Amino acid sequence: GQNIDQPTEMTATEGAIVQINCTYQTSGFNGLFWYQQHAGEAPTFLSYNVLDGLEEKGRFSSFLSRSKGYSYLLLKELQMKDSASYLCAVRDSNYQLIWGAGTKLIIKP
Amino acid sequence: SAVISQKPSRDICQRGTSLTIQCQVDSQVTMMFWYRQQPGQSLTLIATANQGSEATYESGFVIDKFPISRPNLTFSTLTVSNMSPEDSSIYLCSVGVTEYEQYFGPGTRLTVT
Repeated sequence: GQNIDQPTEMTATEGAIVQINCTYQTSGFNGLFWYQQHAGEAPTFLSYNVLDGLEEKGRFSSFLSRSKGYSYLLLKELQMKDSASYLCAVRDSNYQLIWGAGTKLIIKP
Repeated sequence: SAVISQKPSRDICQRGTSLTIQCQVDSQVTMMFWYRQQPGQSLTLIATANQGSEATYESGFVIDKFPISRPNLTFSTLTVSNMSPEDSSIYLCSVGVTEYEQYFGPGTRLTVT
C-alpha cells in the first residue's frame, strides 16, 4: 500500500529553526509537495521537489532524497504566524496526490 | 495562481437531505478536484471533475452519493446526497494550475444533524 508518515505534532520557539520530516512509500514518484494549513483555512502551497536536493524559498526550505523516500521542510526564524499544520503529499505514478496526515506545529514565545 | 470561491462556506443540514456545493475559479483550469477533510485529519480525494465527461471517483466514493457536475472550465458542483452525520466534514475544491501548483478553495464546512 501507499503510505506517508509525518510526526503528529511538534513544538518550537519563536526565532528558532524547526525541521519537519516526511517519509513515504508510494507506487512511483512524480514529485513531493509541502502545504501549510492554518486552523479552519484551506491548505496553501509551500514547495515542490521532484529532484534530489534542497529547494530554498525565503525562510522555508524543502529537501528531497528519492532513494531514501524522505523529505523535510525546514522553517527558519520562526514566527508566531507559522503555527499551523504542515502537510506532505506525494504524487504517484498515476499522478494522484497521496497526502500525509499533517504535522501540527506549535510555536511558543 | 488561481482564486477559488466556494458556496456555501458552511451549512447545517438534516440527515436524509442533500446539499450542493459550488466551486468557481477566476480562470480556466483543466484539472479540478473535490476533497474531504475530517476534523484534525488529512485530505481525502473524492473525485476529479472532468469537463464534458463523467467525474472520476476514488475508491470508496460513488456517483450516486457524490454527484459532480463540470459544465465548463471555471465551475463545478459537488452534491452530498442523502446525508448522514458521517458526512459531516469540510469539503474542499481544488484546481491544478501547472505541473506542480495546486490551489484550494476556502472550503465548505458541513454539519449533518
